[in-house]
Amino acid sequence: SQTIHQWPATLVQPVGSPLSLECTVEGTSNPNLYWYRQAAGRGLQLLFYSVGIGQISSEVPQNLSASRPQDRQFILSSKKLLLSDSGFYLCARTAGFNEKLFFGSGTQLSVL
Amino acid sequence: AQSVTQPDIHITVSEGASLELRCNYSYGATPYLFWYVQSPGQGLQLLLKYFSGDTLVQGIKGFEAEFKRSQSSFNLRKPSVHWSDAAEYFCAVGALRGGSYIPTFGRGTSLIVHP
Repeated sequence: SQTIHQWPATLVQPVGSPLSLECTVEGTSNPNLYWYRQAAGRGLQLLFYSVGIGQISSEVPQNLSASRPQDRQFILSSKKLLLSDSGFYLCARTAGFNEKLFFGSGTQLSVL
Repeated sequence: AQSVTQPDIHITVSEGASLELRCNYSYGATPYLFWYVQSPGQGLQLLLKYFSGDTLVQGIKGFEAEFKRSQSSFNLRKPSVHWSDAAEYFCAVGALRGGSYIPTFGRGTSLIVHP
């Protein structure tokens, strides 16, 4: 099966604290991986994408970073969270050219 | 860079009425277009997609969309809406970057269905 594991499901963090969200995929090799953020009224915003190990492209200048240490692992990080980082974070993958996106179950991040 | 505009933040229709959700895109080449739906408490599900060929594409749950290159649009339609169609709808455009397909989403349209 082609499964995306995302954890944690919910997270409450104070402003200024670090962040690490992990996403792992199963059932496919060399996937394209994506981090999206869904914030109220702003739809689904592409944050980062990766077409291979160590290859990260950033879409929006921000307080976050991403890394891909292994083929099926994609990590979203921050050194110091801001209030504006609150949102619903979704990891997604495509397995091939022009395939549809498969999404993980998401992480609801609240920065207080 | 590609972009997607969904001009309607909310759409309210009565059950049984027809529906059209608007989507306009900006991209310099032939786009790959998608519509996804996100029901309350659930993940995103692909409704339909357009890559090439017939510009009228059929999707799941009775939805269809028409690609109009001259208008840079890919509007989603359904002839008769059901209460279970209440959800958030996202249009997305996929554009080639460095040999890979990168999807960008619109802000979404929230569909409210009145009984």
